[in-house]
Amino acid sequence: SQTIHQWPATLVQPVGSPLSLECTVEGTSNPNLYWYRQAAGRGLQLLFYSVGIGQISSEVPQNLSASRPQDRQFILSSKKLLLSDSGFYLCAWSVIGRNNQPQHFGDGTRLSIL
Amino acid sequence: AQKVTQAQTEISVVEKEDVTLDCVYETRDTTYYLFWYKQPPSGELVFLIRRNSFDEQNEISGRYSWNFQKSTSSFNFTITASQVVDSAVYFCALSSGGGADGLTFGKGTHLIIQP
Repeated sequence: SQTIHQWPATLVQPVGSPLSLECTVEGTSNPNLYWYRQAAGRGLQLLFYSVGIGQISSEVPQNLSASRPQDRQFILSSKKLLLSDSGFYLCAWSVIGRNNQPQHFGDGTRLSIL
Repeated sequence: AQKVTQAQTEISVVEKEDVTLDCVYETRDTTYYLFWYKQPPSGELVFLIRRNSFDEQNEISGRYSWNFQKSTSSFNFTITASQVVDSAVYFCALSSGGGADGLTFGKGTHLIIQP
């Protein structure tokens, strides 16, 4: 069966520090991969998606970036965090193909910026 | 642009009551997909159901049922005989028929089931 792992589960970082969140998927090949952010009391906002290695599409311009160095690995990064980057970050995968496939989410990372 | 509206921010009912969560969507696509997800307090999102735009049949799964009506652009979710374990935030989401550019989520409805 397929599983998705996200780490760390929680993270507290000072403003201006770098960020690296990692997500890996097991049990499937060539998945579509996604990063979402959920701000407190709000819905989920799509940040990035990827349909293949090295292929990244950005939905919202900001100081975050994403990379997919391997087929089942998706990394969310920042060089300098802002207070507004606080939130709950979720990685998701879906079977390769179009948007008709449900997305399956990891357990998320709670990021607090001080 | 796509949009999903969940007008009910929070609903509180007593256990065993029936409750309906509303979802209204906007899209210009003729082919699209609708989803419901559950987010318990632990935070992970659990997939509940997917419905495509060509299938307006209502669906029932145990105590859960979904009513999809294209005429009103709605995809409502009903829990029958609610239980405390149903307490969670529920999200309705929409995707277009083409591409793989992810889901558009509503802001969620926080459902509280009181014992």
